[in-house]
Amino acid sequence: AQSVTQLDSHVSVSEGTPVLLRCNYSSSYSPSLFWYVQHPNKGLQLLLKYTSAATLVKGINGFEAEFKKSETSFHLTKPSAHMSDAAEYFCVVSVAGNTPLVFGKGTRLSVIA
Amino acid sequence: EPEVTQTPSHQVTQMGQEVILRCVPISNHLYFYWYRQILGQKVEFLVSFYNNEISEKSEIFDDQFSVERPDGSNFTLKIRSTKLEDSAMYFCASGREGQLRGETQYFGPGTRLLVL
Repeated sequence: AQSVTQLDSHVSVSEGTPVLLRCNYSSSYSPSLFWYVQHPNKGLQLLLKYTSAATLVKGINGFEAEFKKSETSFHLTKPSAHMSDAAEYFCVVSVAGNTPLVFGKGTRLSVIA
Repeated sequence: EPEVTQTPSHQVTQMGQEVILRCVPISNHLYFYWYRQILGQKVEFLVSFYNNEISEKSEIFDDQFSVERPDGSNFTLKIRSTKLEDSAMYFCASGREGQLRGETQYFGPGTRLLVL
């Protein structure tokens, strides 16, 4: 069975400072890992995904994540936060294409001016 | 860019009433899903649908729930007799054909259902 743990329910950063959203996963098989973002009153938008290629994955809006098998982690980072990054972020795992996704509880990112 | 759309965006209903949530998946996608998110909780998988039949369902998806693809474009979730605990945001998602690892599921904006 797969599971995802997002270590922080809420992260607050100042505009222009780095963002780190932490995610650990558990999977019996080689996982695919995703980060989705949900802005208020919007749907879930894919930020980036890891399949089995490069362990450092670049996504949209300057976000990136690194897959670390030894640490079972897939933390999301961005060098410099922007006000528009304020949203809910979900770390998600799956083991094969088009199978049910397993979501973490989400991390709410606040960006302070 | 193609998107998954959902209607209505909000629905308020009385306990015991039937509701139908509608979704229009991306046109060349063949896998369809419903997920829900109760306020303050995780997004949970409900059901997946492929080739005009349910391919997988969770424990949540009991006899009160059903899904249908009535035509070539719509994908619906019906709750026959709503309960207070059905209040949640319901997300539809779709994916292209394929079992490759990393296939992306594309989500709609959600329908917020409130059962009174």
